[in-house]
Amino acid sequence: GAGVSQSPSNKVTEKGKDVELRCDPISGHTALYWYRQSLGQGLEFLIYFQGNSAPDKSGLPSDRFSAERTGGSVSTLTIQRTQQEDSAVYLCASSLLTDTEAFFGQGTRLTVV
Amino acid sequence: AQRVTQPEKLLSVFKGAPVELKCNYSYSGSPELFWYVQYSRQRLQLLLRHISRESIKGFTADLNKGETSFHLKKPFAQEEDSAMYYCALSGPRGAQKLVFGQGTRLTINP
Repeated sequence: GAGVSQSPSNKVTEKGKDVELRCDPISGHTALYWYRQSLGQGLEFLIYFQGNSAPDKSGLPSDRFSAERTGGSVSTLTIQRTQQEDSAVYLCASSLLTDTEAFFGQGTRLTVV
Repeated sequence: AQRVTQPEKLLSVFKGAPVELKCNYSYSGSPELFWYVQYSRQRLQLLLRHISRESIKGFTADLNKGETSFHLKKPFAQEEDSAMYYCALSGPRGAQKLVFGQGTRLTINP
C-alpha cells in the first residue's frame, strides 16, 4: 500500500480481555515502531523492530504487552488482560533502515470499558 | 538520558502574527531533530528535520547545540497552521526510535 496501515481503527473491549492490534508497514521498510498516545501523555515509545527482531523493548509498560513481527513486514501488538489505563491511541510507524524519517499509520483507538 | 521538552501545551496566536513553538532537548551525542505535525483527523506526519535545512509551509527550525534547542518558527501564521506539533529526536543516522516531546497545540485565531 501507499502508507502504513493499521487495523482495526477503533476497538472497544471489556476489561480483562485480550486484544490484538495490527500494523502493515510501507513495503520495503525494515524498521517498525509502536507508540502509544494517551490523553495528556504525548507520544510514548513502546517497541521497535529491525527486521523481525526487537532490539529495543524498553517502552513496553508491563508483561501484559507483547509484540511480534513476521516476514519482516506485518506486526501485531498484543495486550493481555486489558485494563482501563490501556485505553489510548496506538500508533505504528515504519522507516527505511538508513533513513530515520518515520511514516505513521492512522492509529488504533483502544477503549477498555 | 534522552528527553525532549516542549514547555507550552497550548499556544494561541492571531492570523498574520509570528509563531514560535519551543523545543529543548537533552541527548549525549549528536541527535537528529524533527518536527512532526498532526492536523485534525489526520495522521502524524513529518514537517521538517534539521539536517535538510529546508522550509516547509513557511516553517523553519534552527538547531542550536549550545542551547540544546530546536524551536519552530513561522513569521506569519495562517489559520491552516492550527494543529498539534511534536518535537522529536533520534540518534545519529540509522533506524532508531524517536523520542517525542509532549506536544504543543497551536491555535490560529482569525
